[in-house]
Amino acid sequence: DGGITQSPKYLFRKEGQNVTLSCEQNLNHDAMYWYRQDPGQGLRLIYYSQIVNDFQKGDIAEGYSVSREKKESFPLTVTSAQKNPTAFYLCASSIGQGMTGYTFGSGTRLTVV
Amino acid sequence: DQQVKQNSPSLSVQEGRISILNCDYTNSMFDYFLWYKKYPAEGPTFLISISSIKDKNEDGRFTVFLNKSAKHLSLHIVPSQPGDSAVYFCAAPDHSGGGADGLTFGKGTHLIIQP
Repeated sequence: DGGITQSPKYLFRKEGQNVTLSCEQNLNHDAMYWYRQDPGQGLRLIYYSQIVNDFQKGDIAEGYSVSREKKESFPLTVTSAQKNPTAFYLCASSIGQGMTGYTFGSGTRLTVV
Repeated sequence: DQQVKQNSPSLSVQEGRISILNCDYTNSMFDYFLWYKKYPAEGPTFLISISSIKDKNEDGRFTVFLNKSAKHLSLHIVPSQPGDSAVYFCAAPDHSGGGADGLTFGKGTHLIIQP
């Protein structure tokens, strides 16, 4: 079955360390996205990519980096520059034209200890 | 500045009754709206959508109404069931490119269905 896989489900990181969250999709979607959810907040866009080897900053890109070397993969690195990294991170993908098939992964809960 | 607003953080409804979740938006360029349902520690799942050329879209127990002049939409769930207890997000594509630039979300409404 096609879908989006995020791993790991839970992740702990020591303060000052970089950490990379994985996102893989087998839906043949062109566009991929990273969102962050905090308690009492909606989802906020971190980065998005409309095509391989290209990505754009979202609303809260500071302290994060991404790459899009393959269509299927869009990893997110939370760097030590991110001041408040503890959050629930969601990856999504879409066909890229129109809203058909906008699909979310099951999320990664990152906790800084 | 929040472009999509859900002003009720939570809503409690008795099982079998109607649940009405509200959403307001400020960007008049928004022309498509989506509702997502989210359980804790899971990704949102798509529920229903509406294009700005319509004022109503229905799918089983779920109906979304759009009032463009008031920049307001609402999600009606009839009858409400225990499994409907979740957080509901209203969202709109950021650009006319159909959402390839991402979605703008409201802060969500936690719906609690009481037996």
